[in-house]
Amino acid sequence: EVQLVESGGTLIRPGGSLGLSCAASGLTVSNNYMNWVRQAPGQGLEWVSVIYDDGATFYADSVRGRFTISRDNSRNTVYLQMNSLRADDTAVYYCARRLYMTGEPMDIWGKGTTVTVSS
Amino acid sequence: IQMTQSPSSLSASLGDRVILTCRASQTISTHLNWYQQKPGKPPKLLIYAASSLQSGVPSRFSGSGSGTDFTLTISSLQPEDFATYFCQQGYSAPTFGGGTKVEI
Repeated sequence: EVQLVESGGTLIRPGGSLGLSCAASGLTVSNNYMNWVRQAPGQGLEWVSVIYDDGATFYADSVRGRFTISRDNSRNTVYLQMNSLRADDTAVYYCARRLYMTGEPMDIWGKGTTVTVSS
Repeated sequence: IQMTQSPSSLSASLGDRVILTCRASQTISTHLNWYQQKPGKPPKLLIYAASSLQSGVPSRFSGSGSGTDFTLTISSLQPEDFATYFCQQGYSAPTFGGGTKVEI
């Protein structure tokens, strides 16, 4: 069974740093386009970042310079390092696989991990 | 690319035919996907490439459109279809519509 399991979410103060993990099973992260997508409470979905199979990384404007996506092939895990956190980073963070095809749909999602930025 | 969904919510009854719309701020060909999300759950892919049905998704769901205007149709609303639906463009860095909540 293909599965993505996020972890690392917690309550953190503004300006702090936090790392999220996405452990994959049933798929190899280094062969896929792995994404982070977030959803603020009661709001819609916002794409955050992607790491491609070739290692290239891209970010949404709202997080560029503060967040870093990476992966550990030996652990088959994708990470999101979040620095200089702000209240508007509060959200459920989902890990998702994006397919290389028309539309580049995200077909596999984890259950998410909750990040709350508050003093 | 901005994605605009309408309506933001709608009320419908079991068995109704429901049509949700999504408009892109610029042409995206058929790089459009639809997701269903229920409270406390991650999104579930329903339709990709504007009109292709994801494996395992009931055939009452269908998608159409190209360019800037797209629709998701549920031919006969079932109890498990009450949820929020999001469109997402994959033409450039992914962006999602604001969602349409389908309520009883």
